[in-house]
Amino acid sequence: DTAVSQTPKYLVTQMGNDKSIKCEQNLGHDTMYWYKQDSKKFLKIMFSYNNKELIINETVPNRFSPKSPDKAHLNLHINSLELGDSAVYFCASSQDRLAGIHEQFFGPGTRLTVL
Amino acid sequence: AQKITQTQPGMFVQEKEAVTLDCTYDTSDPSYGLFWYKQPSSGEMIFLIYQGSYDQQNATEGRYSLNFQKARKSANLVISASQLGDSAMYFCAMREGPNSGYALNFGKGTSLLVTP
Repeated sequence: DTAVSQTPKYLVTQMGNDKSIKCEQNLGHDTMYWYKQDSKKFLKIMFSYNNKELIINETVPNRFSPKSPDKAHLNLHINSLELGDSAVYFCASSQDRLAGIHEQFFGPGTRLTVL
Repeated sequence: AQKITQTQPGMFVQEKEAVTLDCTYDTSDPSYGLFWYKQPSSGEMIFLIYQGSYDQQNATEGRYSLNFQKARKSANLVISASQLGDSAMYFCAMREGPNSGYALNFGKGTSLLVTP
């Protein structure tokens, strides 16, 4: 029973294409995230959603559009893919509460390669 | 400005020895949390340990302990009795208050290699 799942695990595509990555969590968490890990292994927050509402949108090109149809899903759609979009994309979730550990559970990652 | 600094890009340790991975952070938020994650070569992110800014005692989880020095803004990870399976990238991360959306700010990571 995977807590945070992402599909696909690998995605190879041509420049200029549009692609989506799906994420689902079965933990009942309120908050979901997308992180990007570049070739130097640096992880950076892209988006944060709480109860289907966008909380954070870091300096991400508007070619990236997250969509949260419900609390358990946060999908990432990318338009007009560029070479620099090649990276590993991680979805994560956590329980939004005022106190206690806010451990984030990460999905397995999606390795996107743009040719 | 970088909020989390990990100054050791790579570290070696011999099996069964202890190793300390450094992490310093920068925040003006009085309420924050510090995390360590492990990323093996298979790529998944594995949560190791958490320290809250108001926690009085250093966090421990099995062979992992967090040396939290609030005044110095450091949160070093100590791994005792290293095992070959500990070879991985280790990331320090900080979560600030609700205004940050609970997102994690990550350091650049430390690559740990455990040798026999």
